[in-house]
Amino acid sequence: QSALTQPPSASGSPGQSVTISCTGTNSDVGGYNYVSWYQQHPGKAPKLMIYEVSKRPSGVPDRFSGSKSGNTASLTVSGLQAEDEADYYCSSYAGSKVIFGGGTKLTVL
Amino acid sequence: EVQLVESGGGLVQPGGSLRLSCVASGFTFSRDWMTWVRQAPGQGLEWVANIKPDGSEKYYVDSVKGRFTISRDNAKSSLYLQVNSLTAEDTAVYYCAREAAVAFDIWGHGTMVTVSS
Repeated sequence: QSALTQPPSASGSPGQSVTISCTGTNSDVGGYNYVSWYQQHPGKAPKLMIYEVSKRPSGVPDRFSGSKSGNTASLTVSGLQAEDEADYYCSSYAGSKVIFGGGTKLTVL
Repeated sequence: EVQLVESGGGLVQPGGSLRLSCVASGFTFSRDWMTWVRQAPGQGLEWVANIKPDGSEKYYVDSVKGRFTISRDNAKSSLYLQVNSLTAEDTAVYYCAREAAVAFDIWGHGTMVTVSS
């Protein structure tokens, strides 16, 4: 099964909002409400930012939000801050397995 | 403190084997699904395998089926990944993670596996 499709890069200025998309199929993103988003800084382990499409773990700022429409999920980062610059990965349940997106490098200009 | 600590990585020749370990602390390991995720150098994340709390169900990505085996010892709060018949394509940082609602909320720091002659 192919990886979920994410744009390789995204950018925004401090204070702005940016949205990262994650496109799959009816067999993964569109078929289940088990989409997650991870933030990864260079040399560090990933950090869970969103689970079950739109839920935030404790400690994740409410500037981070998730949504889904059909086969495409989205992560929106509002009020961009310098520390948001990182790689972001989506993932989805796909029936007895999990698939990740290719990752999006978010640059804060 | 909630923590996962991996070990067992290293340099191995093509066709070789390793046993990766992950020790959990700070949470009730025996109640949770556990997962291995890997990341090749400069590449994205790839889910490798997961295991049910009692070890009765295990699932693998197609590329490792028949070569990798996930297991756990709840008495030792430990997760394992036996990796056999390694190829260069298996070179990656291997992370263990706790799984909840098909999301990975606790990650280790990773252990590097390098397959090279």
